Amino acid sequence: QQQVKQSPQSLIVQKGGIPIINCAYENTAFDYFPWYQQFPGKGPALLIAIRPDVSEKKEGRFTISFNKSAKQFSLHIMDSQPGDSATYFCAASDRGSTLGRLYFGRGTQLTVWP
Amino acid sequence: EPEVTQTPSHQVTQMGQEVILRCVPISNHLYFYWYRQILGQKVEFLVSFYNNEISEKSEIFDDQFSVERPDGSNFTLKIRSTKLEDSAMYFCASTGHSTDTQYFGPGTRLTVL
Repeated sequence: QQQVKQSPQSLIVQKGGIPIINCAYENTAFDYFPWYQQFPGKGPALLIAIRPDVSEKKEGRFTISFNKSAKQFSLHIMDSQPGDSATYFCAASDRGSTLGRLYFGRGTQLTVWP
Repeated sequence: EPEVTQTPSHQVTQMGQEVILRCVPISNHLYFYWYRQILGQKVEFLVSFYNNEISEKSEIFDDQFSVERPDGSNFTLKIRSTKLEDSAMYFCASTGHSTDTQYFGPGTRLTVL
């Protein structure tokens, strides 16, 4: 049973483009939605997170859009750079915080060409 | 910046052997986790640990798995009798009450032959 569905599996954009990664969830008890970035040989690292009381959150070039009624959320990377090339995971938790188990999506491998 | 460390980085073992994966969480964290990632698949939760006991475990975490915090710094995952399907990257994570995320270690790649 996939708690969190993520698409696309891979994404290639030119430098300066705006890659968008989408996630959908089924469990309405989820109340914390983080995005993790993973570089080869490293563990996932938190990029940005959102709670369902807001529809959008921006941190630098990264934006999460959240649609509670559709049970969907997405990550937008503005002015993408080659250094953004990594695997991105969406996740969800039903504990409203970082303490609960995280349910991860399958990941999106992003490549940004110079 | 403090970080979670894991050893070894790569472990190769024969099917049926016991393995112990080691993690040193960030020093003031109180909540500890193990996740695994089979090649090409998503990261999956195995177990969480708080106050010297398991707080939650997934269906993957069966009797072959156990966790322990043998001292004030280490957190271990033991697989008693490894199977081929246990081959994966195993990530340790930790967090605390006032932190904003679970901090992940770099992982241990377990290969079961």
